Order: sequence, then C-alpha cells, then structure tokens
Amino acid sequence: SQQGEEDPQALSIQEGENATMNCSYKTSINNLQWYRQNSGRGLVHLILIRSNEREKHSGRLRVTLDTSKKSSSLLITASRAADTASYFCATDVIQGAQKLVFGQGTRLTINP
Amino acid sequence: GAVVSQHPSWVICKSGTSVKIECRSLDFQATTMFWYRQFPKQSLMLMATSNEGSKATYEQGVEKDKFLINHASLTLSTLTVTSAHPEDSSFYICSSSPDLGYNEQFFGPGTRLTVL
Repeated sequence: SQQGEEDPQALSIQEGENATMNCSYKTSINNLQWYRQNSGRGLVHLILIRSNEREKHSGRLRVTLDTSKKSSSLLITASRAADTASYFCATDVIQGAQKLVFGQGTRLTINP
Repeated sequence: GAVVSQHPSWVICKSGTSVKIECRSLDFQATTMFWYRQFPKQSLMLMATSNEGSKATYEQGVEKDKFLINHASLTLSTLTVTSAHPEDSSFYICSSSPDLGYNEQFFGPGTRLTVL
C-alpha cells in the first residue's frame, strides 16, 4: 500500500509563479526524498531531507519536513515551463534498507 | 550521477507470451535493484527487490511465478513477465544505488509493456 498521500493531485499555474506540493506519510522514516517524472520517463532525484532536518534548499527548490505531523512540502520558486512534470515524495520506512515507498504524486503543469 | 538503463523501452506482445525486461547499472555495481510497476497517472508500486546471487523478495500481492526476477550479475537484473495478459500492460521501472550508504535511487527510463 502507499505510504501516504500528496496534495494536490494536480496543480496548474502560470510560468513565474511558485508551486507548492505537500506530502503526508504514515510511519516513522529515516529520510524523505522528492523525485520528478516527466511523462513516460523514469524518475529523477531532486532532493533528500533527513528526519533530523527541517528545511533544505537546492536551487529553486525548497523542501520542509515536519516529523511531528508526518508531512513534507516541496516549493518550486519562479516556475518554468520545463518544470511541468509529476512530482513524487518517497520515504524509506525500513532501517538500513533502501526500499522506497512513493506517494500518489502531484501532476504539475506550468502554463507559458 | 549513476546511470541505469532498461531494455527494451517499449514492447508489444500477444497474450500468453512471455516478455523479458533488462535493467542494467552502467557505471556501478548494484547488489540490489528494485522493480516497480506504474499504471497511467498513478504512482509507482514496488513489485520486488532483486538481490544479486539470491532470490528476489516480492511485495505482498505480487505473484513471484508470474513475475520472474533474475539478478545473475552485479550489473544486470531481469524481469520476465510470464504468460502475459492485457492486465499486465503497464510501465515497468527499475532502480538501484551504487552502495548501501546511498539513499538516493537512480531510475531506469522505464519499459512500456502492452499486451494485446
């Protein structure tokens, strides 16, 4: 079963605006990762945040993690048409293993 | 970063035939590879964990006799969909990491299987 849910399921914004996606999970984690998937392609790793971290930045990406609420958010600032993709959060739920469980994903569309 | 390839990228087959999908780590040795299935507009569902030199570990609800996994070398894992049926049509993706210390997974480009 899926570890959690993502919200919203779909998001459509204008180029230049910021996009925020949320992810909730159910069990304790070691870390949480965000991946991007362009249509019909494999996944690309964006960022990893560890359970003892609260916020992390990478370029135009900002990720927050609230372990008390079992939730994370991904913020993409100054969006571009090339950011159009599906975004998934993934958690590793087993100590010492690399097994990932993915959220439902958010389909992001950036309108030029 | 590490590179994972898959072959073929797409395949169309008749119902009842078997299809083999290859997953290769191109620039690192992979003791563990993961196989996922993804239906249109849905998330990835982990099917099994492929371990080099040993039996794969299947997720609950995945038929191991239906989806045969072989991980015979440190750079190659294969997934064989046996006696494929239209409901097996899906996007199959593999992933791996250079070593156990990595949390980031590197994904193959996926294989689109269509069973007629």
